[in-house]
Amino acid sequence: DIQMTQSPSSLSASVGDRVTITCRASQGISNYLAWYQQKPGKVPKLLIYAASTLQSGVPSRFSGSGSGTDFTLTISSLQPEDVATYYCQKYSSAPGTFGGGTKVEIK
Amino acid sequence: EVQLVESGGGLVQPGGSLRLSCAASGFSFSSYWMYWVRQAPGEGLVWVSRINSDGSSTNYADSVKGRFTISRDNAKNTLYLQMNSLRAEDTAVYYCARGVSVAGTTPLGYWGQGTLVTVSS
Repeated sequence: DIQMTQSPSSLSASVGDRVTITCRASQGISNYLAWYQQKPGKVPKLLIYAASTLQSGVPSRFSGSGSGTDFTLTISSLQPEDVATYYCQKYSSAPGTFGGGTKVEIK
Repeated sequence: EVQLVESGGGLVQPGGSLRLSCAASGFSFSSYWMYWVRQAPGEGLVWVSRINSDGSSTNYADSVKGRFTISRDNAKNTLYLQMNSLRAEDTAVYYCARGVSVAGTTPLGYWGQGTLVTVSS
């Protein structure tokens, strides 16, 4: 099975900072990559799919890039409401493996 | 409005069984693949299983293969997860989810609120 590795596992940044999270697949998955946001005590929310397509209603400060094995989620200007854990997921085939998550906090 | 409501969670002893249900509404249930995802307390998301629209094709994570069975009743708009031979490591919130499209290769755009399964003696 394809493994999904996220880094870092956690980060702390100031409001307004640019934040970058990476996700690496152990084999190529084309662009079948999604990013989810899970706020504390809440249900996961789809942010980005097809590596770079913003889900409807998601703020434009979120963006995604990459193809093949290396992917990136960027928050262009971190806001207090972005405190959450972010997960990547490959959905090219079963199993739809998730990355281990990146916890984002405000410094 | 898409709604997914899980039920059936609870406390069960190791080796026991439990059946989770997910009642779906607000969309054409019989057109979509459906999924189960779990999250142990304080841990990350783990993909568990999926089933195609007519129930003829299923997939499982290695960790549950042979112990869990996913099924659906399209007449009742309900998804199920039969969990047998439960282990302590199966303790988690179990989420029912639907893809953003009817394709099998789709991200998960809709999630239920989850139901907690606790495996303990």
